[in-house]
Amino acid sequence: GQQLNQSPQSMFIQEGEDVSMNCTSSSIFNTWLWYKQEPGEGPVLLIALYKAGELTSNGRLTAQFGITRKDSFLNISASIPSDVGIYFCAVPLYSGAGSYQLTFGKGTKLSVIP
Amino acid sequence: ETGVTQTPRHLVMGMTNKKSLKCEQHLGHNAMYWYKQSAKKPLELMFVYNFKEQTENNSVPSRFSPECPNSSHLFLHLHTLQPEDSALYLCASSQELSAPGRLSSGNTIYFGEGSWLTVV
Repeated sequence: GQQLNQSPQSMFIQEGEDVSMNCTSSSIFNTWLWYKQEPGEGPVLLIALYKAGELTSNGRLTAQFGITRKDSFLNISASIPSDVGIYFCAVPLYSGAGSYQLTFGKGTKLSVIP
Repeated sequence: ETGVTQTPRHLVMGMTNKKSLKCEQHLGHNAMYWYKQSAKKPLELMFVYNFKEQTENNSVPSRFSPECPNSSHLFLHLHTLQPEDSALYLCASSQELSAPGRLSSGNTIYFGEGSWLTVV
């Protein structure tokens, strides 16, 4: 099946530092989504990107839809302890009969040291 | 609060037990999903229901049996599970299943908090 390559797998950063993670694929997509999953919870949508080159912000989070449509980046500025969690990228994969299913990357586990 | 509620949050069951996971969405969505999340693996789609009809079964073993009595409720019936089935089971919903080439801004997927399942 389609693979999304998400990196890094994990990060340990100092509070206040900026964070950058990315997802790449060998295929082109029209939508990139970024989710955050906190310990013991389900994933929550952070940012949705619908256009190549699009740069979208949500508070301290900024995500970009790569111009090639094969990648996306998520940046977190001035990290705080509540940023801890696993961040997933996701794309819709065509599954036939006009329907699309979300496929997820393996996630980037973020730890913030106070 | 995402509008998708899962119960129970935690479940421990023996390999010969029969149990069920329940999901309810209050978003007026028409599509509902079961995902499995294991350690070190991506989120795996298990089943998809669209307007109460199952449209996807990603080669899931028959010991997992989904049921969707209406667009707001989704169950996952569990029977004779194996220890390797221990995982976080996530329910999700979206407005619609089909999208002409892209997910629209009104058609993103919302997840419940998950049910932690341990099979002993």
